[in-house]
Amino acid sequence: GAVVSQHPSWVICKSGTSVKIECRSLDFQATTMFWYRQFPKQSLMLMATSNEGSKATYEQGVEKDKFLINHASLTLSTLTVTSAHPEDSSFYICSASNRAGLGEAFFGQGTRLTVV
Amino acid sequence: AQSVTQLGSHVSVSEGALVLLRCNYSSSVPPYLFWYVQYPNQGLQLLLKYTSAATLVKGINGFEAEFKKSETSFHLTKPSAHMSDAAEYFCAVSDQTGNQFYFGTGTSLTVIP
Repeated sequence: GAVVSQHPSWVICKSGTSVKIECRSLDFQATTMFWYRQFPKQSLMLMATSNEGSKATYEQGVEKDKFLINHASLTLSTLTVTSAHPEDSSFYICSASNRAGLGEAFFGQGTRLTVV
Repeated sequence: AQSVTQLGSHVSVSEGALVLLRCNYSSSVPPYLFWYVQYPNQGLQLLLKYTSAATLVKGINGFEAEFKKSETSFHLTKPSAHMSDAAEYFCAVSDQTGNQFYFGTGTSLTVIP
């Protein structure tokens, strides 16, 4: 199946700094990428959906100025957590789909963010 | 709009016993349905998917699921549980464009030796 690579897997940062998480589709062109946040022992919460070359669509309650999403190419999307605070600590997962994927999304391995 | 409901946030089975994880969906269009497994601190791995072909779908690791339109269900089963099956399982539904993807709340499977 298609491969989505997410980097880094783990990151620890200080409060007030910004962290960038990358999501790459390695062997297909991702027309749409999704960013999720997952709290311990809970399901995935969709944060935003991005289509290549256009602005991301954020879910209600997600601060777009805090969680900056860029989808500049068909193989790369980035999520930047700006001015991170301890409450931003979470597991972030990206997924990518293309129209040839029959509605399937392929997931990255996730990024564990800890803000200290 | 699509949504999924997973009944039972925690399921425990004995090793060798039948695994049954329940998923019911709601969709205004013919759905595509998926089951994913997640191990601790990892991303999601696709177990199987239904995309309007055969209603009984076989996946990896001995799992299978049956799409029942009349019951709006897509339950996941495995005849004999293995210790390595202990994980979190998510049911998901999408429309056929891949632009909308909705997850259930997940079911944590514990396998008792």
